[in-house]
Formats: sequence, structure tokens, C-alpha cells
Amino acid sequence: GAGVSQSPRYKVAKRGQDVALRCDPISGHVSLFWYQQALGQGPEFLTYFQNEAQLDKSGLPSDRFFAERPEGSVSTLKIQRTQQEDSAVYLCASSSQGSYSNQPQHFGDGTRLSIL
Amino acid sequence: GESVGLHLPTLSVQEGDNSIINCAYSNSASDYFIWYKQESGKGPQFIIDIRSNMDKRQGQRVTVLLNKTVKHLSLQIAATQPGDSAVYFCAENTPHNAGNMLTFGGGTRLMVKP
Repeated sequence: GAGVSQSPRYKVAKRGQDVALRCDPISGHVSLFWYQQALGQGPEFLTYFQNEAQLDKSGLPSDRFFAERPEGSVSTLKIQRTQQEDSAVYLCASSSQGSYSNQPQHFGDGTRLSIL
Repeated sequence: GESVGLHLPTLSVQEGDNSIINCAYSNSASDYFIWYKQESGKGPQFIIDIRSNMDKRQGQRVTVLLNKTVKHLSLQIAATQPGDSAVYFCAENTPHNAGNMLTFGGGTRLMVKP
């Protein structure tokens, strides 16, 4: 069966450009999460969706970061006016249940974003 | 691909030996814990989980131990194989705002010598 799919796998952008990163979760999964992983560190939470509702965006580092999941399936993370400190791997994860359930999150392979 | 965890603590074991990877977690309200394996250029891969009402759980070649008193987790891998070489992260699942969030530990690189 298909796992979580992310695209593109690699993205290089010039400082100041906007980028959009896509996540296709496991089919039927209710919850979707975005994480940011800097080199040599564990992933850090950015935002959480339950179906199409963005229930938690407390981890987004600035208002340049925006995420959406309009139909409760595919999600897009958009970064406007990119800065060099945005360079990282962006990971998407999904899980089968909703809020407060103890179910494992399954991760995609991420998008490696490099800002020049 | 680019390596995950260039400056992580490293555990080096001989193929066939048992490995033990330790993790301290921070939030006493965390009620669910997961171990992930991450290979270079890939996302974290689920290995095993444990709920806070348990202190031990076994999978295939892996065992997770939970000590809530000292907020400590360990992952034991039996008969370690070269394919086990990766970075291992523990993650604690904590109620946060409108749902759960995972907080990851700093990771340990496991190197298996043939």
C-alpha cells in the first residue's frame, strides 16, 4: 500500500522566492502533520490538521509560513519570501485517528529545501 | 544523500550483538511514546510504540522499556544487523492545544560493524 508521499523531493530556491511543498497522506488518514527537521536534529512540529481543519499552527515559525488542506486529503505547505534559515527538510506525517488518539504517525521522506 | 545527524551521539556495536539505545523525555503529561528509525535521505520509520500504562512492549527483535518514575525510555535491538544502522529517535506524544503533537529527542546514531 502507498505510504505518505511528498513532492518535490528536493527544492532549491533563491532568497525571497515563494515555495510550495506538497503532501499526499495515507488514504483515509484523518490527521496530518507538518514538521521541520534541521540537519543533525529531530523533527520539530509545525502544524496539525484534522481533516480540512487546521487545529494547531503554533509551531509555524513566522507568518511567512502557511499550510492548507482544503479537501481533507492533500496538504500544501507554502513559504513566502524565503530566507536562508528556512533551509531544512520538511516532513509530512499522517495518522488514522483524530485528536488526542494514541496512534503512530507515519512519515513521508520529506522535501529538502535549500535557499541560496 | 545528505546524512541525518552529523553530530549525534553514536553507538557502535558488532553485528549479532544486542543494542540498547536510551532516551530521556521531558513531559510528565506525555502518555504515548514512539521509537523511529531514520536512514539517510528518508523520513522517520515507525519501529514500536508504548502507552504510558505499560512498562514493556516487545516486537520483532525490538523491545521498548518505559520508566515513568525517571522519565526514561530505552530501545533494545536483539541480534543487531547491518541494516539496523541508522539514526534512532524517541518521540513523546503530548496533548497540545487541539490534539497531540510529537516531541522528538535528539537522536542516536547506531553503527553496526560487520
